[in-house]
Formats: sequence, structure tokens, C-alpha cells
Amino acid sequence: DAGVTQSPTHLIKTRGQQVTLRCSPKSGHDTVSWYQQALGQGPQFIFQYYEEEERQRGNFPDRFSGHQFPNYSSELNVNALLLGDSALYLCASSLNRQGGIYGYTFGSGTRLTVV
Amino acid sequence: QQQVKQSPQSLIVQKGGISIINCAYENTAFDYFPWYQQFPGKGPALLIAIRPDVSEKKEGRFTISFNKSAKQFSLHIMDSQPGDSATYFCAASGRSQGNLIFGKGTKLSVKP
Repeated sequence: DAGVTQSPTHLIKTRGQQVTLRCSPKSGHDTVSWYQQALGQGPQFIFQYYEEEERQRGNFPDRFSGHQFPNYSSELNVNALLLGDSALYLCASSLNRQGGIYGYTFGSGTRLTVV
Repeated sequence: QQQVKQSPQSLIVQKGGISIINCAYENTAFDYFPWYQQFPGKGPALLIAIRPDVSEKKEGRFTISFNKSAKQFSLHIMDSQPGDSATYFCAASGRSQGNLIFGKGTKLSVKP
């Protein structure tokens, strides 16, 4: 049973460029959340997608956008990259049921370096 | 505003000892408190979680103690092993949120 799969694993981009990160959720999960983890810090919530719509958003600028596809996979897009966007980007999938989110499972992340 | 405060930032424990990591939260709407373990180059993996209707939960060598009135919870790792060396994060979430609020992490080193 495949867990959460993220691609690519590593990425180097130049300041001002745009980047797209991809995530395939764990089988049976329908909700995808994205987190940014700076070096030495805890993950910070970016946004969450369910039924192909952004349901919740953390304190991140509009340069961060996303998409969820009918097969529940998701993309995270970051425009106009800044040096401060360098981080590990984590995708987490879960199952949305009445009363809460269950089975929160993280992928291994994409390490983005902006130079 | 940091909603989950974690301490200590780093911890060194001898093999066989007890590792204790503490967290405090502010939002009384939180009702789910997980602990995650993260190894270098990997994503966080769920260790153990608790809801506020119980004061303690034990799974193997890992125990969560929860104090609702003090808005604090802690992770105890009994008989710590070198393989436990990792970064540990506490987190919190509420039913209306669906996302996790993480502490800043504790880097645990277990010396042989």
C-alpha cells in the first residue's frame, strides 16, 4: 500500500522563477494538505484541498496556490520565488469524515532551494 | 503568534533513560494532540496521539500525559534507544480546523 508520494525530491530554482510540486495521496484518502518546513522549524500549514477546492488556508501570500485533481492528487505552485521560500515542502493526506480529519499521513517532502 | 510551545529545543539522554518533552497550547478549542517523529530527509511520522477526554495514553515505550486544566501535554519515551534519536514535534488541532499546529521541535540524541 503506497503512502504519500511527492515529486520531485529535490529542486533548485532561481529567485523570481515559478515552481510546481506534486503530491499523490495515500490510497483511500481524499484530502491533501501542504506544509512548509524551514530548517530547524516545525511544519507550517499552507492550505488544504478537499473535493478539488481550497478549504482552509494558513498565513501564506497569494504567490502560493494549489490545485486538487479528480483523482485526489494535488499540486502546489509558488510564483515569484524568494530566497526565503527555500524549505522542505510536505504534503499530507487524510480522510475527511464528519467530525474531523483522520489518518493524517505525511510524505517525505520536496526540498526546494532558491538561489 | 505561536499557539503550541515546545521544550526543550534539544535533549541528550543515555541509552535506557527516560526522555521527556513538554508542550503547552493556548487554544481551548484544540481537541487532538499528536506527537510526530521525524528523521533527517523524511517527513514526520505519527507516533502517538491523545484526545482531551483521557489524561494518559501509552503505546509501547511511548506515553502521552495530558493536563487539560494546565493546557499542557508531554511525551515520555521509556528505555530510550539510540534508534530513537530524531526530532520530535508536538502538534494540536481542532475539529473546526482540520490542520495541525506544530511546535518548533525537540532534537533528541540518545547516547549508547
